[in-house]
Amino acid sequence: AQSVTQPDIHITVSEGASLELRCNYSYGATPYLFWYVQSPGQGLQLLLKYFSGDTLVQGIKGFEAEFKRSQSSFNLRKPSVHWSDAAEYFCAVGSYSGGGADGLTFGKGTHLIIQP
Amino acid sequence: ETGVTQSPTHLIKTRGQQVTLRCSSQSGHNTVSWYQQALGQGPQFIFQYYREEENGRGNFPPRFSGLQFPNYSSELNVNALELDDSALYLCASSNRGKAGGPDEQYFGPGTRLTVT
Repeated sequence: AQSVTQPDIHITVSEGASLELRCNYSYGATPYLFWYVQSPGQGLQLLLKYFSGDTLVQGIKGFEAEFKRSQSSFNLRKPSVHWSDAAEYFCAVGSYSGGGADGLTFGKGTHLIIQP
Repeated sequence: ETGVTQSPTHLIKTRGQQVTLRCSSQSGHNTVSWYQQALGQGPQFIFQYYREEENGRGNFPPRFSGLQFPNYSSELNVNALELDDSALYLCASSNRGKAGGPDEQYFGPGTRLTVT
């Protein structure tokens, strides 16, 4: 069964500093990987995805993530955070049965706090 | 382009009652997935509907059931509510059938269900 681990429950970063959120996955085949962001009381917004090809993927809001098969990781990065980036971040892995995607398996999330 | 919408926003029910939550897919999407997000946790996959049939299910009991309608909107029904059913219920729509790989799931804002 597939699983996702986000080792950091909370991360505090100063505004303007760089950010890296960790994600490790367990999946038997080629994984389809996603990062979502959730603001308080809101649904999830897709930041970026990895399906195949270039292992460094660019997303919205200046985020990027790098797929490393050897480490089973898909870490999210941003060179300079803004106060508006404070939110909950979720990494997810999706399966693909050939007819389309099945349900996503999410990690427990990392709560990002931005210090002024 | 209309995004995913869910109703109601909030709901309070008593243990043992039944509840129906509703979701309208994003325009052009034909697949709906439902997730349960308990407080402080990542979303958990309940089930997915495609062409009005259940197409994948997570580890949820049969008292969780659903429907998808010809216009691709969907309902989630939960019978015999338990206290642990209190959660944010998220609906996600996607467009299965495109060539080239898995779907991107777009989430609605969720329905907050409280069971007392």
